[in-house]
Amino acid sequence: AQSVSQHNHHVILSEAASLELGCNYSYGGTVNLFWYVQYPGQHLQLLLKYFSGDPLVKGIKGFEAEFIKSKFSFNLRKPSVQWSDTAEYFCAVISTDSWGKLQFGAGTQVVVTP
Amino acid sequence: EAGVAQSPRYKIIEKRQSVAFWCNPISGHATLYWYQQILGQGPKLLIQFQNNGVVDDSQLPKDRFSAERLKGVDSTLKIQPAKLEDSAVYLCASSSGTTRYNEQFFGPGTRLTVL
Repeated sequence: AQSVSQHNHHVILSEAASLELGCNYSYGGTVNLFWYVQYPGQHLQLLLKYFSGDPLVKGIKGFEAEFIKSKFSFNLRKPSVQWSDTAEYFCAVISTDSWGKLQFGAGTQVVVTP
Repeated sequence: EAGVAQSPRYKIIEKRQSVAFWCNPISGHATLYWYQQILGQGPKLLIQFQNNGVVDDSQLPKDRFSAERLKGVDSTLKIQPAKLEDSAVYLCASSSGTTRYNEQFFGPGTRLTVL
């Protein structure tokens, strides 16, 4: 069965530090990959997505993610975080043989301290 | 444009009681999803509608959960009877189009506590 693993459940870091959140999926076929973010008190929203092409994708608010097919990974990065990046981050996958069925990871709670 | 609306935002019930959640998707969105998010886990798809037809309900516990989308717009999700393990946030999402993937827009969720 398809699954998504996020390496860390909680991350605490200071402003201006670099952030990298790991995401691995288990599915042998073609996939589309996503990172969603949920800021405190807000809805889940799309941060970035990868369908095909350049494996390095850029999203909103300075985030980027790199798809490494050989490692089944789609790690999220931001070079310098801000206090406003405090949120929960979810990696998600859609396999190409499913219609819109997002498979989410368990999420990583990121806390950025001033 | 208005986002996905859900009500109620919070609900507390006792086990074996019934509960219903309502979702109004973004206007014109053909596809509607219900997800269950248990504390500490990511959202899990319960059911997906395309207009008023069910596309996927493979993870819906059909002995106690039911959902409908009358006229292809609003949707309700019902639990009858509720169990303790049903305590979760129930998210509704919608997307436009009929291709394999269109961005899903999520509502604020309904937080259900079963005592």
